[in-house]
Amino acid sequence: QAVVTQEPSLTVSPRGTVTLTCGSSTGTVTSGHNAYWFQQRPGQAPRTLIFDTSNKHSWTPARFSGSLLGGKAALTLSGAQPEDEADYFCLLSYSGGRPVFGGGTKLTVL
Amino acid sequence: EVQLVESGGGLVQPGGSLRLSCAVSGFTVRSNYMNWVRQAPGKGLEWVSLIYAGGSTYYAESVKDRFTISRHNYKNTLYLQMNSLRGEDTAVYYCVSGDFAYWGQGTLVTVSS
Repeated sequence: QAVVTQEPSLTVSPRGTVTLTCGSSTGTVTSGHNAYWFQQRPGQAPRTLIFDTSNKHSWTPARFSGSLLGGKAALTLSGAQPEDEADYFCLLSYSGGRPVFGGGTKLTVL
Repeated sequence: EVQLVESGGGLVQPGGSLRLSCAVSGFTVRSNYMNWVRQAPGKGLEWVSLIYAGGSTYYAESVKDRFTISRHNYKNTLYLQMNSLRGEDTAVYYCVSGDFAYWGQGTLVTVSS
């Protein structure tokens, strides 16, 4: 089974910009991995921010964007707000029907 | 409005069984694929299983041959039958739409003697 890697923790200043990444042990992450990004605040269920690498849901704040960067999937937060402090998980799809989550990034806004 | 409501969690002894249910409103489970995802206390998310609209099923290696995903089209409900439960199965179990857009609030399963 593939291993999906994320930064364990990152810190961003209020109104600052930060990029979280999502890599695959199998090699370059492509659009075919249909990368998802989820936000989970303490005590809450996860909610999806990004699907299919860069698509947003109607509830996704405009300050979040998804892309492919340097062989990885990336989630960029531009103009961080205090409420963006949360855990962020990525998910990659693989052939064989078994998607894999990354270990998560704990984002601190400080 | 889409809603997914899980139930059936609780305390079970190692080796025991439990069946989780997920009542869905706002879309039909038979026309969509559906997932179960779990999260051990203080840990990350782990994909557990999915069922496609056509009925094909997939499982994580950690639960294969112990868990069974199914659905009841008339009740618009998703199920996860969990057998031979182990301590490492202790987690909050989430019912999630196939496109991962919609999540339930989760139900806690604790495997302990």
